[in-house]
Amino acid sequence: SAVISQKPSRDICQRGTSLTIQCQVDSQVTMMFWYRQQPGQSLTLIATANQGSEATYESGFVIDKFPISRPNLTFSTLTVSNMSPEDSSIYLCSVGQGAGDTEAFFGQGTRLTVV
Amino acid sequence: KQEVTQIPAALSVPEGENLVLNCSFTDSAIYNLQWFRQDPGKGLTSLLLIQSSQREQTSGRLNASLDKSSGRSTLYIAASQPGDSATYLCAVNSGYALNFGKGTSLLVTP
Repeated sequence: SAVISQKPSRDICQRGTSLTIQCQVDSQVTMMFWYRQQPGQSLTLIATANQGSEATYESGFVIDKFPISRPNLTFSTLTVSNMSPEDSSIYLCSVGQGAGDTEAFFGQGTRLTVV
Repeated sequence: KQEVTQIPAALSVPEGENLVLNCSFTDSAIYNLQWFRQDPGKGLTSLLLIQSSQREQTSGRLNASLDKSSGRSTLYIAASQPGDSATYLCAVNSGYALNFGKGTSLLVTP
């Protein structure tokens, strides 16, 4: 199993500002996944982050809005840039997905409110 | 694209009842299926993982089944308790990231 520490757990931010979310895993992993959960909705994949390469973004998500860093095999950050109220969501990082029999684990999430 | 559907969207039961949550998916080419629990405003807690070659998995009062050919999974909760109140998410692994259903919001009343 993997233990994922994510912070902050929640924040209230002013529109136009940026917030960086940190995700720390207790073991080395190849891929880390960032999801967004809008109010009342299920989880949507934002991007996958591999160490040493650019993140791969899903349709509808762009690097300028959601820059991701992956400096090593246990840590990643997601920045939500130039925030608007529509960015109010829970953001979650995850490991353990991809081809194979692995179990996915999630951080406790960052609940973001943009005012 | 894998589509995951969960029925019902919401469920309210009295304490002690047995209940079944349903999950269906459109593409049977999966590696595994995972059931999660999510408390309000929180992250996801993994409940059960079923590999594509398995038919069911059990953990305590929870039992999950998988019928890959028909694209269905069920989560059975025995003797429900108020502490089981949460949203239950079904997620399918088709070889990349997980595809999630919208969840079933469960309320168990004392």
